[in-house]
Amino acid sequence: QSALTQPPSASGSPGQSVTISCTGTSSDVGGYNYVSWYQHHPGKAPKLIILEVSKRPSGVPDRFSGSKSGNTASLTVSGLLAEDEADYFCCSYAGTTNWVFGGGTKLTVL
Amino acid sequence: EVQLVQSGAEVKKPGESLKISCKASGYSFTNYWIGWVRQMPGKGLEFMGIIYLGDSDTRYSPSFQGQVTFSADKSITTAYLQWSSLKASDSGIYYCARRSSGWLFDPWGQGTLVTVSS
Repeated sequence: QSALTQPPSASGSPGQSVTISCTGTSSDVGGYNYVSWYQHHPGKAPKLIILEVSKRPSGVPDRFSGSKSGNTASLTVSGLLAEDEADYFCCSYAGTTNWVFGGGTKLTVL
Repeated sequence: EVQLVQSGAEVKKPGESLKISCKASGYSFTNYWIGWVRQMPGKGLEFMGIIYLGDSDTRYSPSFQGQVTFSADKSITTAYLQWSSLKASDSGIYYCARRSSGWLFDPWGQGTLVTVSS
């Protein structure tokens, strides 16, 4: 069982929006604004798409957005494209050089 | 371009030793920490620990303390993860990732698949 809880799957049609949740505790997600999200196509290197809860690295489309409320962080993908089909996982700093990860969510574009 | 390239897939028998690598390029190697992350088959990611490449200071996650060893060779900008005696439960995909400012990992390597089977 992963330290952070994510739904195993999510789906949406092209153009729609999908939100993926990432639930932790007050010791990780709730305690720090250091939640990051990654897009992972199997066999390739995971790619950072959100850092510090809601910031986008350069080059990441603004269709990707992040937020947090209490112990739950969320990733929203708007205007779904076929290329968004991938695994997405969250990561949170948990203090004392420790990080925790989510179990990953497989996003399917219908 | 900042990049981490990991060594290829390995198939080993229980009890054998193994050392996998993570070659860094495109940045000042010794100024950053490298983290190691495990993904067991069908499971989520687990943080194993980190190593500072400047002086090889290492911090192991309690679950992995004593089970694996991190090391680095500054001369070839490469970090290593090694096992002295593999178990079947060590099978999985292992990722290296650079710990960047903002308490996150970026970039990541492509992963190394380790299969331990008799």
